[in-house]
Amino acid sequence: QVQLVESGGGLVKPGGSLRLSCTASGFTFSDFYMSWIRKTPTKGLEFLSYISGHSGVTHHADSVSGRFTTSRDNAHNSLFLQMTSLTPDDTAVYYCARSYKGRYSEFFFDHWGLGTLVTVSS
Amino acid sequence: SFDLTQPPSLSVSPGQTARISCSGDALSKQYAYWYQHKAGQAPVLVVQKDTERPSGIPDRFSGSNSGATVTLTIRGVQADDEADYYCQSTDASSTHVVFGGGTKLTVL
Repeated sequence: QVQLVESGGGLVKPGGSLRLSCTASGFTFSDFYMSWIRKTPTKGLEFLSYISGHSGVTHHADSVSGRFTTSRDNAHNSLFLQMTSLTPDDTAVYYCARSYKGRYSEFFFDHWGLGTLVTVSS
Repeated sequence: SFDLTQPPSLSVSPGQTARISCSGDALSKQYAYWYQHKAGQAPVLVVQKDTERPSGIPDRFSGSNSGATVTLTIRGVQADDEADYYCQSTDASSTHVVFGGGTKLTVL
């Protein structure tokens, strides 16, 4: 069955950096778009980025564009989120999700991981 | 960019029907998706493309679309349905992926 396991979260100071990882199993990783989404108690779910399966084309939400970078290693079934210039507003649980991008602008998340907590505080 | 608006909370008694709405201009042109998120668990896709139920989702869950408003209906609500529910959609180019603010469903 599809499994997604995030790691790399923790406590980081404002202005710091952190790299999150997501290890996938149970499906052909390179065939699927993958995404990062975060959840906070105040804002709920917020889409951050996606990356295509084979070509690695990325798209980032305006709120993190220029600070966060998404990448993948298909040989190791892994997805990454490099986060820089972190602020307390980036405190959240970060989820990776397998994504489906259809021919007619469909885009959704059909499997999610349990998430990893990132806390930005001095 | 566009917004999706959901009621922040809804309370229903066991066995009743819960209807959670999601409104936004984009919904008249783009599909909506619904996710159930229980504390400490991974979010789960419960409705896709406005009305389709993914495999494994009970038929108590259904979706409908009436133009700029989509609705998630849960019939025969059970205690286990208590969760946060989020709608989601995109723009035509899939460059803007947006979630509604979420609805906390409480089963009395």
